[in-house]
Amino acid sequence: AQKVTQAQTEISVVEKEDVTLDCVYETRDTTYYLFWYKQPPSGELVFLIRRNSFDEQNEISGRYSWNFQKSTSSFNFTITASQVVDSAVYFCALSEAATGRRALTFGSGTRLQVQP
Amino acid sequence: DSGVTQTPKHLITATGQRVTLRCSPRSGDLSVYWYQQSLDQGLQFLIQYYNGEERAKGNILERFSAQQFPDLHSELNLSSLELGDSALYFCASSDLQGIYTEAFFGQGTRLTVV
Repeated sequence: AQKVTQAQTEISVVEKEDVTLDCVYETRDTTYYLFWYKQPPSGELVFLIRRNSFDEQNEISGRYSWNFQKSTSSFNFTITASQVVDSAVYFCALSEAATGRRALTFGSGTRLQVQP
Repeated sequence: DSGVTQTPKHLITATGQRVTLRCSPRSGDLSVYWYQQSLDQGLQFLIQYYNGEERAKGNILERFSAQQFPDLHSELNLSSLELGDSALYFCASSDLQGIYTEAFFGQGTRLTVV
């Protein structure tokens, strides 16, 4: 069965600090997708990134970057120069492709508090 | 705006009652998913429909049911409600057949059972 673990329950940083959110996953599929979602205090789930299991290139989007390592089954998310608006709960999620079941398995989330 | 519309945004009801949550997927998306976010269970998958047919089931209680209509909107029916059913219910849609499998989420329906 697939599983996503986000060991960090809550992280507090001061504005402009860099912060890394950890995500470790388990799956038996060779083809799968990994996601990060942001849930701000307003409650909606905002899609941030999707990676497939065959693409281990790291990705950078502005202040956000993602490090995907199949060898350690990790898909970590780094925010550079954090801002107060980054305060939210961040979820890592996994979707298996082989069965056609695209439902997401979510981690328990990491609450990030960025203090001014 | 994700393009996925959920109504109502908030719902307060009493134990034992039945409610219906509605979801309109993004234009062109054939697949609809329902998720429940509660304090104790986190975000968990309930059920998936594709083009009107049930495709996969997650941790959905027998008191809960869903359907997807010919116009592709979906409804989640929750009956015999208990206090523990209080949660944020999300609907998501995606293009199952395409290579893009990201799910776009609606704003959620916050259900409070009193």
